[in-house]
Amino acid sequence: DTEVTQTPKHLVMGMTNKKSLKCEQHMGHRAMYWYKQKAKKPPELMFVYSYEKLSINESVPSRFSPECPNSSLLNLHLHALQPEDSALYLCASSQEWRTGGRTEAFFGQGTRLTVV
Amino acid sequence: RKEVEQDPGPFNVPEGATVAFNCTYSNSASQSFFWYRQDCRKEPKLLMSVYSSGNEDGRFTAQLNRASQYISLLIRDSKLSDSATYLCVVTDSWGKLQFGAGTQVVVTP
Repeated sequence: DTEVTQTPKHLVMGMTNKKSLKCEQHMGHRAMYWYKQKAKKPPELMFVYSYEKLSINESVPSRFSPECPNSSLLNLHLHALQPEDSALYLCASSQEWRTGGRTEAFFGQGTRLTVV
Repeated sequence: RKEVEQDPGPFNVPEGATVAFNCTYSNSASQSFFWYRQDCRKEPKLLMSVYSSGNEDGRFTAQLNRASQYISLLIRDSKLSDSATYLCVVTDSWGKLQFGAGTQVVVTP
C-alpha cells in the first residue's frame, strides 16, 4: 500500500484565519515532506522531517508552521496567509532521507488552498 | 542554470506510436533518478525509478547516461491514458528531490 492521505482536499481561508493541513502515512516511512505547487510549475520543497525531526526548512515564511506529532503524521499550520500563498500543498513520504536508503517519494492527493 | 532541465513539449503523439524524451541534470553527484507522471490538478505519481543499467516496466523504458548526465523515457504503443505531464526527478547531494519543469505528452486518437 503506497498511500499518503491528506485532509482537507480543498480549503478556502481568509487572511486572518488559522487553519491546519493534515497528512498521514502508514507505510513505515521515516521521512515526510511538505511541498507547494503553483499551476504549471513543478513542486517546490518546503520542509523535510526525518525521524520526526525537522531536517530542512527551505526558508519558508513563519506563517507556515510544520509539526510532526509522530512518525505517521505531519501537519502544516497556517496563519495570516496571503493571497499569493494560494496553491496545491502536497505531502509526501519516503522510506529514508539521505541515508542511502530508498528515496522514492510517494505523494498525497494534496490540499488545494485558496486564500481570500 | 536549472538543476534539472526538460523539454516542456507538448509532444503530440498518435495513439499506438512511440514517444521518447530526455531530461538533463547538472549535478554529477546525483545518486537517484526517477520519472513521475502528473495529471492535471492531481498529485505526482511515481512512474519508475531509473537505474544505471536501464530498466523497463511494460511499455515504459528508462535509461540513465551518467557520462552525459541525462535520463530518457520511452513510451511504446502510446495509450490515450498516457496523456500527462512527465516529471524528471533527481536527488541532489543533500538528498533533496529536484524536479524538472515537466514534459507534456498529449496522445491523440
